[in-house]
Amino acid sequence: GAVVSQHPSWVICKSGTSVKIECRSLDFQATTMFWYRQFPKQSLMLMATSNEGSKATYEQGVEKDKFLINHASLTLSTLTVTSAHPEDSSFYICSARDRSGRSSYNEQFFGPGTRLTVL
Amino acid sequence: GDSVTQMEGPVTLSEEAFLTINCTYTATGYPSLFWYVQYPGEGLQLLLKATKADDKGSNKGFEATYRKETTSFHLEKGSVQVSDSAVYFCALGGSARQLTFGSGTQLTVLP
Repeated sequence: GAVVSQHPSWVICKSGTSVKIECRSLDFQATTMFWYRQFPKQSLMLMATSNEGSKATYEQGVEKDKFLINHASLTLSTLTVTSAHPEDSSFYICSARDRSGRSSYNEQFFGPGTRLTVL
Repeated sequence: GDSVTQMEGPVTLSEEAFLTINCTYTATGYPSLFWYVQYPGEGLQLLLKATKADDKGSNKGFEATYRKETTSFHLEKGSVQVSDSAVYFCALGGSARQLTFGSGTQLTVLP
């Protein structure tokens, strides 16, 4: 149990286009989903926290108009990179917390990541 | 605020060698502590966890003990395999906290 999927697993796009990345909790309902960005050989940087039915909370320095997050249901959150540029190329990882509270320490379950390359 | 300091890599070992990756933390209250592993091109997988002082997390031959007195959660394995080659992240979290990650340690195990 506690599987999180991401789609697509990799995407290549042209500069100036928008790209949508989906994050789904497959066998549980997620109260909260998180979006991280990871640069090569570096740690994960939290971009935003997404709660179902409410606006996402963005970390300092993350442009909310550039990285649009929509948490449409308890099993789906999307990250849209708008007007993508080469510097947006990165590995984007989502995670989700189980609504049922079966994890007493609010464990996050991670998706496999999406590799974005902007040409 | 919360922070995690992790041993810098990369670490290169021969198969069957002993592994230690150091991790110390700074946090208020009583965080939970985690080790995550990331294989090339993949997302993070939880390797082991400990939720209170003196707890020992273990999985796949890896162990880490939550030491509150030294604010540490060092990862150990007695005999590494080539398949253990990955990046290892120490993290703290739990309850209402966000996950705070260390910088990651690249481990390469040579046959």
